[in-house]
Amino acid sequence: NFMLTQPHSVSESPGKTVTISCTGSSGSIASNYVQWYQQRPGSAPTTVIYEDNQRPSGVPDRFSGSIDSSSNSASLTISGLKTEDEADYYCQSYDSSNQRVFGGGTKLTVL
Amino acid sequence: QLQLQESGPGLVKPSETLSLTCTVSGGSISSSSYYWGWIRQPPGKGLEWIGSIYYSGSTYYNPSLKSRVTISVDTSKNQFSLKLSSVTAADTAVYYCDGDSRNWGQGTLVTVSS
Repeated sequence: NFMLTQPHSVSESPGKTVTISCTGSSGSIASNYVQWYQQRPGSAPTTVIYEDNQRPSGVPDRFSGSIDSSSNSASLTISGLKTEDEADYYCQSYDSSNQRVFGGGTKLTVL
Repeated sequence: QLQLQESGPGLVKPSETLSLTCTVSGGSISSSSYYWGWIRQPPGKGLEWIGSIYYSGSTYYNPSLKSRVTISVDTSKNQFSLKLSSVTAADTAVYYCDGDSRNWGQGTLVTVSS
């Protein structure tokens, strides 16, 4: 079964840049789009990146997404960290049967 | 901007069927998105995809839930629905609907208990 693996947690200081990775277990992660979701405590998820590197309207350009085929991974980079960025982040893609697959989530702490 | 809102019972008895509806506003369900989906999140855990229905009518379900899940669309009401049969306590979760992985509902907590 296709799986997406994320680090359990990351932390960084305000104003700095952090990158969260999402590694595919098999196949090529570049074959299907990757989405990234932000979930603040007690709130529903919101989309911060769709189709690998596209930002929905209203999402600041501090958020960016990329794909690295050599490591079969996707990354979410947040620059100029703010305390409001503290949240859980989930990556999501598709397996070969067009089924959505979520990563386990990464808790971002901004301290 | 599409808005999605889940609705349905917050409490379901074991062995019964969980039924939820997602109402779409700000656009037509027939043309606003390529697909519509249901996702759930057990308390304190991560996101789990339940299934999706595409504009073509095709449905895709999580293999672990496939035997119990039905997703359908009612274009006349601009809604799509989820039915999950034979529920147990393990189905207790916040249930979310979404469109094209871009627009999410606020979620609704469903507790399975007698």
